[in-house]
Parts: sequence; structure tokens; C-alpha cells
Amino acid sequence: SQQGEEDPQALSIQEGENATMNCSYKTSINNLQWYRQNSGRGLVHLILIRSNEREKHSGRLRVTLDTSKKSSSLLITASRAADTASYFCATDGSNFGNEKLTFGTGTRLTIIP
Amino acid sequence: SAVISQKPSRDICQRGTSLTIQCQVDSQVTMMFWYRQQPGQSLTLIATANQGSEATYESGFVIDKFPISRPNLTFSTLTVSNMSPEDSSIYLCSVGRARGQPQHFGDGTRLSIL
Repeated sequence: SQQGEEDPQALSIQEGENATMNCSYKTSINNLQWYRQNSGRGLVHLILIRSNEREKHSGRLRVTLDTSKKSSSLLITASRAADTASYFCATDGSNFGNEKLTFGTGTRLTIIP
Repeated sequence: SAVISQKPSRDICQRGTSLTIQCQVDSQVTMMFWYRQQPGQSLTLIATANQGSEATYESGFVIDKFPISRPNLTFSTLTVSNMSPEDSSIYLCSVGRARGQPQHFGDGTRLSIL
């Protein structure tokens, strides 16, 4: 399987603290995406970072990408109870026509009020 | 982003039966995909639904078990055939407009097999 790894598998923090999740992948990529999944629901797209980018911001989210290490991190600042969810990274292949996404194992984030 | 309607949202089925899941998009999209998410696990791609031709299946998934239709650019179905308890999962469709753009997901179908 080409599935990436995420760590930690689970993370519990106090509301207001920052949460950092890491993702590692195995093959060359075109881009890397982060998704959020609330319990039992569909996935919500959070942010996409291209292979030639190193850092990207969106609101309270900050994503970094290190293609030499085949890794990415997602930072959520000033966490809120509503951020409680599972977070997945997903990569697509660098070959033309390969739009398929390969998902990481996911991090389950719990924000304690 | 596209609005994706997936039906049913959940179902409880008997062993040996089949269920067809529908995915409707509010606009034409180039790419449609079907994923399976087993309990507590990540998403695994079942197949790419190709408009007007047979779906492209990933390793470990076969057409006889998961037949897929895509008659046009806004609609696709996934059938889970001859179900067993091991098929209990969330099944999700996703759509993409172009390579390098985000994929967007339906709310999923939570399937339980008794």
C-alpha cells in the first residue's frame, strides 16, 4: 500500500492551545491536501499545497511541506471545541493523469473545553 | 465547490443482499471517485468512475463485487453486491474538476451488514 503515515494517531489538547499533526508519504507528489472529517460524516477540504510550495496559510491553519523528507505538517492555532475531528492528509501522484488521492492514516484530534 | 448529494445516508442490510448508492453533483465534473472507509480506518480508493466507459478499479476491488455506473458528468452509482459483515463501512463519493485541484466529498453512506 502507498498509504502515508500520520502522527500522532490521537491528540488531546486544551481549548486555545495549538495542535500540530504530521504526515509522511512515500512517493513523489504533485500536491498534498489536508481534510477534516467530523464523526461519521464526509470529508471537508481544508488546504492544498503544491509540491513547489513550502508553506501555506488559511485562517488559523498553517501547512508546511518538505518534499526532501516527504513530509508535511498541519498546525491549527488557538484551537476551538469545533476543531474536534479526524484530520487526514492526502497526496496525488506526480505522473500526468494520476489524479487519485492516497490518504494518510489520520489523526484524531480532541479539543477539551 | 460542487454540491454533492449521496443517497442513502445510511442503511442496515441483510447478508447476501446488494445495495446501490447514488452520487449526484449539482454541476458537471470531470472526475468522480468512490472510496471505502472501514470502521476507525482511513479512506481507500475503490475505483475511478469513468463517464461512458467501465470504471477503473484499484487493486483488491473487482467489478463483480462493486459494479459502478456513470451515465453522465453529474451522476454515478456504486453497488455493493452479495454483502457480508466485512462490507460494513462508510462509502464516499468524491468529485474533482481538474488535476491539482481539491476533491470534494459527499457526506457518505454508512452501511451495516447483519
